Amino acid sequence: KNQVEQSPQSLIILEGKNCTLQCNYTVSPFSNLRWYKQDTGRGPVSLTIMTFSENTKSNGRYTATLDADTKQSSLHITASQLSDSASYICVVSGEQAGTALIFGKGTTLSVSS
Amino acid sequence: DAGITQSPRHKVTETGTPVTLRCHQTENHRYMYWYRQDPGHGLRLIHYSYGVKDTDKGEVSDGYSVSRSKTEDFLLTLESATSSQTSVYFCAISLDRYNEQFFGPGTRLTVL
Repeated sequence: KNQVEQSPQSLIILEGKNCTLQCNYTVSPFSNLRWYKQDTGRGPVSLTIMTFSENTKSNGRYTATLDADTKQSSLHITASQLSDSASYICVVSGEQAGTALIFGKGTTLSVSS
Repeated sequence: DAGITQSPRHKVTETGTPVTLRCHQTENHRYMYWYRQDPGHGLRLIHYSYGVKDTDKGEVSDGYSVSRSKTEDFLLTLESATSSQTSVYFCAISLDRYNEQFFGPGTRLTVL
């Protein structure tokens, strides 16, 4: 069964600290992996998208990595800010009919001052 | 929100009543999607459209129907709302099936 598992479920860090969020998937065959940020009460916003051949991609203080062999991805946030408080969702797309994306349940990050 | 609006943004209705949610885009994207988001679940696809009058079912389509008569509008209808359809509904758009999806602001629906 195609699944996307994220860990931890929630995380609290101090402003200015770094953190890493994890995503493991079982989707096969694989097309691409995306990380979204979702602020409370808003729709998800794309941070990065990586294909099979890419193993790292950055977007400002956000850096995503992908290991297609182990089917793992991580999202590293550097020098966290209060505005980073949000849910971070890992989404995997498989090479299959239709447009189905497999969504993880998200990691809720709280950045405190 | 990338030229995507959803209406209404909030709605409270009673069990058994019909409900229609509207998604409107100004980006001329070919693909449009309806998702629902519930606590303890990831976003789940209800229906999607790959062109005017071209639609297909997603993972959780039972109890929902959709229509797309114009490129810019994608309607989601609950023929007879049930309490299990209480959720936050998101519309999304993309240029094609492989491109990034852009999400609307969401509609919070409560069925009493």
